[in-house]
Amino acid sequence: DSGVTQTPKHLITATGQRVTLRCSPRSGDLSVYWYQQSLDQGLQFLIQYYNGEERAKGNILERFSAQQFPDLHSELNLSSLELGDSALYFCASSDNSGRAGNEQFFGPGTRLTVL
Amino acid sequence: QKEVEQDPGPLSVPEGAIVSLNCTYSNSAFQYFMWYRQYSRKGPELLMYTYSSGNKEDGRFTAQVDKSSKYISLFIRDSQPSDSATYLCAMSDGGAGSYQLTFGKGTKLSVIP
Repeated sequence: DSGVTQTPKHLITATGQRVTLRCSPRSGDLSVYWYQQSLDQGLQFLIQYYNGEERAKGNILERFSAQQFPDLHSELNLSSLELGDSALYFCASSDNSGRAGNEQFFGPGTRLTVL
Repeated sequence: QKEVEQDPGPLSVPEGAIVSLNCTYSNSAFQYFMWYRQYSRKGPELLMYTYSSGNKEDGRFTAQVDKSSKYISLFIRDSQPSDSATYLCAMSDGGAGSYQLTFGKGTKLSVIP
């Protein structure tokens, strides 16, 4: 168990809908990263938050957004869903304290299926 | 050319064999290197983390980094059926305080009893 929790485990929804994925980082970790894993693209970085502020953005679609709350949990919002958004979504956390502190620990993921 | 290349396998070995997994990369700014193990439908589990060239050993696992050749390896000694999983290499440049990871596509390993 990595100490990172994600809910829900599975999500099935229809095209055009909006969903929210939730992540709680390991105790003490200030950074949350979101990744998308699909069969064709592999694991791809979406966005990072550090202590409530956006720190870095990757290949995140404009239909997707995220935030990190004062208690450090994070939510990833996906809207106007398309079939191609079906994937596993992972969050990872780290304490971001430099060379020896940036290992990322992954949660169990949320499997999103868009029908 | 992708930033990180990893042979997807699948790789099938008998129990007890030495397994060698490799990744090459093109971005010379990468300075942090990780290996993750992912069982089917689970989250990636961190196995090894290094930030310098050379070898790092942890039990049956040895990670090797050659920054001059832009090449990293993971060796698994005395492989066990429980090692059957997908192995992902990942790397980061640590720029602007972000350690976002760039992953290889993963190598699927099967260890046959």
